[in-house]
Amino acid sequence: DIQMTQSPSSLSAFVGDRVTISCRASQGVSRSVVWYQQKPDKAPKSLIYDASTLQSGVPSRFSGSGSGTDFTLTISSLQPEDFATYYCQQYASYPITFGQGTRLEIK
Amino acid sequence: EVQLVESGGGLVQPGGSLRLSCAASGFIFSSYWMSWVRQAPGKGLEWVASINQDGSVKKYVDSVKGRVSISRDNAKNSLDLQMNNLRAEDTAVYFCAKLYCTSTTCYTIYDYWGQGTLVTVSS
Repeated sequence: DIQMTQSPSSLSAFVGDRVTISCRASQGVSRSVVWYQQKPDKAPKSLIYDASTLQSGVPSRFSGSGSGTDFTLTISSLQPEDFATYYCQQYASYPITFGQGTRLEIK
Repeated sequence: EVQLVESGGGLVQPGGSLRLSCAASGFIFSSYWMSWVRQAPGKGLEWVASINQDGSVKKYVDSVKGRVSISRDNAKNSLDLQMNNLRAEDTAVYFCAKLYCTSTTCYTIYDYWGQGTLVTVSS
């Protein structure tokens, strides 16, 4: 199974900050990584797939990069609505696996 | 509007069984792979099972193999998850999720999710 490891597990930042969340795969997954945002008691929402393709309707302050084993989600200027938990997921092979999540909190 | 509505969760004793259902609407259900994804209280997301469009291909995470069965009824636009021999570690919110497709490609990622149904396994 491919393990996805996110860092950091939690992060505090100010509105307007630029933040980066990392995700490392235990083996190469090409570009088959998606990033989700989840708010409390809500279902996840996909933000970016194929490592860097912005999902329709997602603000352009979100961006993704990476290939192989190392991936990054960047939020260029944090907005109040961005405070949530973020997950990466690989879909290169079954079983589908998620990172453990990164909780982004307001400083 | 795409809607996925789960039902069937509840409290069950260890070793017991439960059948979850997901009612789908707003899209051509029979054209999409569907999945179940769960989330234990305060924990991360875990993929559980997926099924292809006609139900002929099913995939499961190892931790549920032999205990869980995914199925679908395209005539009724419904997705089910039969869970047997339940364990405490199966306690979670179970989400029904639709795989995302563009006009040319489908991806094993999820663009629509239900609200989830809570399964609690406890004596």
